[in-house]
Amino acid sequence: DIVMTQSPDSLAVSLGERATINCKSSQSVLYSSDNKNYLTWYQQKPGQPPKLLIYWASTRESGVPDRFSGSGSGTDFTLTISSLQAEDVAVYYCQQFYTTPQTFGQGTKVEIK
Amino acid sequence: EVQLLESGGGLVQPGGSLRLSCAASGFTFSTYAMNWVRQAPGKGLQWVSAISGSGDSTYYADSVKGRFTISRDNSRNTLYLQMNSLRAEDTAVYYCAKGKELELRGVFDPWGQGTLVTVSS
Repeated sequence: DIVMTQSPDSLAVSLGERATINCKSSQSVLYSSDNKNYLTWYQQKPGQPPKLLIYWASTRESGVPDRFSGSGSGTDFTLTISSLQAEDVAVYYCQQFYTTPQTFGQGTKVEIK
Repeated sequence: EVQLLESGGGLVQPGGSLRLSCAASGFTFSTYAMNWVRQAPGKGLQWVSAISGSGDSTYYADSVKGRFTISRDNSRNTLYLQMNSLRAEDTAVYYCAKGKELELRGVFDPWGQGTLVTVSS
């Protein structure tokens, strides 16, 4: 199985400041035939199911604010919230869908400083 | 609007069985792969099982293989998870999640609200 490791486990950021979450996969999730990274990001607010934010490592899902962006390739990826808002308090998960079983990172909790 | 509504969770003794259901609406159910993903209390997400749109292909996490069975009834727009030989470590909120189209079928969107399964004596 591909192991997904996120860092940090939690972070506290001031309103309007940048939040950066890292995700590392134990093997590349870049599919050579289409040159796409099979990597997604989800947001889970307290008491709610996860919500899809980004897929193909950097494609924002429809309706997701543009302060959320994804980057990276191969085994190293980043989710950036450019200007943290109060409603962004949540746990964020990366997930690879390169192979079955699809696996998730352990989650990163984002709070307001 | 796509909606997924899980049901069937509850308290069950170790070794017992439970069947979860997920009623889908707002999309052509038979066209999309469907998944079960679980989350133990206070923990992260774990993919459990997937089934193709036709129901011909099924996939399982090693931790549930041989104990859980995923199925679907496309005439009723409903997804199922039959869980047998339940263990304490199966205690979790179980989410039903729709796969996106084609090569994005491993991307889960949207998710239902979840149903809690508690395995305890």
